[in-house]
Amino acid sequence: EPEVTQTPSHQVTQMGQEVILRCVPISNHLYFYWYRQILGQKVEFLVSFYNNEISEKSEIFDDQFSVERPDGSNFTLKIRSTKLEDSAMYFCASSELGPPRDTEAFFGQGTRLTVV
Amino acid sequence: SQQGEEDPQALSIQEGENATMNCSYKTSINNLQWYRQNSGRGLVHLILIRSNEREKHSGRLRVTLDTSKKSSSLLITASRAADTASYFCATDSGVNDMRFGAGTRLTVKP
Repeated sequence: EPEVTQTPSHQVTQMGQEVILRCVPISNHLYFYWYRQILGQKVEFLVSFYNNEISEKSEIFDDQFSVERPDGSNFTLKIRSTKLEDSAMYFCASSELGPPRDTEAFFGQGTRLTVV
Repeated sequence: SQQGEEDPQALSIQEGENATMNCSYKTSINNLQWYRQNSGRGLVHLILIRSNEREKHSGRLRVTLDTSKKSSSLLITASRAADTASYFCATDSGVNDMRFGAGTRLTVKP
């Protein structure tokens, strides 16, 4: 069964460093998303991406964040200068269709980012 | 802002019992989806219910949607210890994102 793949599974970084989280969405999907979940809290929407541009972004997705689809298969989230409060589980998701969407979004297993 | 709100926050039952979790939301939606998350793991899609549907079944899962009350429920029948997980509802309002609730932590005791 096709799945969304995220790497690495766990990343530890020093405060102020840049990190890139990587995702390989399902191959025929056109819509891509990043979510994050701070330990014990809600899953929060960060950004959606379609046709090589950002479709929607939340208030969390400030200038420190950027997304890119550098090639036909990868979808990356970059955090330029990490803060302690960026520590969270980051989930990538993809869906075949966009809004109004009648198919589910498939999520990866997540990357646990720890900023020290 | 986040949309779905699940209740209860935590639910503990015995194996074999039914578990009911509720979700309320604020704005109009195109569909509502339920996800499951095992501790520290990814989100697994369980079921999608469209705004024009009132009830949907999938195996031991039954989901209802009441758009007039802006609420949904997820019923897991004949629960098993392996159903222990967090369950989230997520609403799709037609813009290109989904909004998740805080989740219900279900514990099924063997």
